[in-house]
Amino acid sequence: GAVVSQHPSRVICKSGTSVKIECRSLDFQATTMFWYRQFPKKSLMLMATSNEGSKATYEQGVEKDKFLINHASLTLSTLTVTSAHPEDSSFYICSAQVRDYEQYFGPGTRLTVT
Amino acid sequence: SQQGEEDPQALSIQEGENATMNCSYKTSINNLQWYRQNSGRGLVHLILIRSNEREKHSGRLRVTLDTSKKSSSLLITASRAADTASYFCATDENKAAGNKLTFGGGTRVLVKP
Repeated sequence: GAVVSQHPSRVICKSGTSVKIECRSLDFQATTMFWYRQFPKKSLMLMATSNEGSKATYEQGVEKDKFLINHASLTLSTLTVTSAHPEDSSFYICSAQVRDYEQYFGPGTRLTVT
Repeated sequence: SQQGEEDPQALSIQEGENATMNCSYKTSINNLQWYRQNSGRGLVHLILIRSNEREKHSGRLRVTLDTSKKSSSLLITASRAADTASYFCATDENKAAGNKLTFGGGTRVLVKP
């Protein structure tokens, strides 16, 4: 149980285009989902907290208009990187919170912007 | 900002040896968790230790927590090549912060067969 999927696992896009990444909790409902970004050989940096039915809460320094988050249902949150630039290339990981402290992580999405 | 600092940043050992890594943090916490990440993959939850616990075991893993020193350690005993991965500690500060996890910098462990 407690499986989180992400789609796509890898995506390559051209500069200026937008990319949508989906995060799904497959066998449970998650009231809260988190989006992280990870650069090579670095740790995870929290980008935003996503609650079903309400606006996401972004961490300081994360542009909400560039990283659009939609938490459409208790099993789905999406992250859209708008007008992507090469510096947005990164590994994006989502997690879904089950109870107060348990977070289950998706397998990640490798974004490459050319 | 990263609350946790992990040390060492990288560790290379022979199969069968023990691997120890440490994590320090700055603020009060509800609990501390350790995760493993294989290269290019998601995170796998290893163990959670609450702020009122001092030591916890899970299989070949042993975690300690010293809240007075704001530090934790993860020990992997009798390491195997399959233990090669990056290991991260993550702290859960308080409910007001929405149970957000703050990750340490990670320790890259290489277990040589």
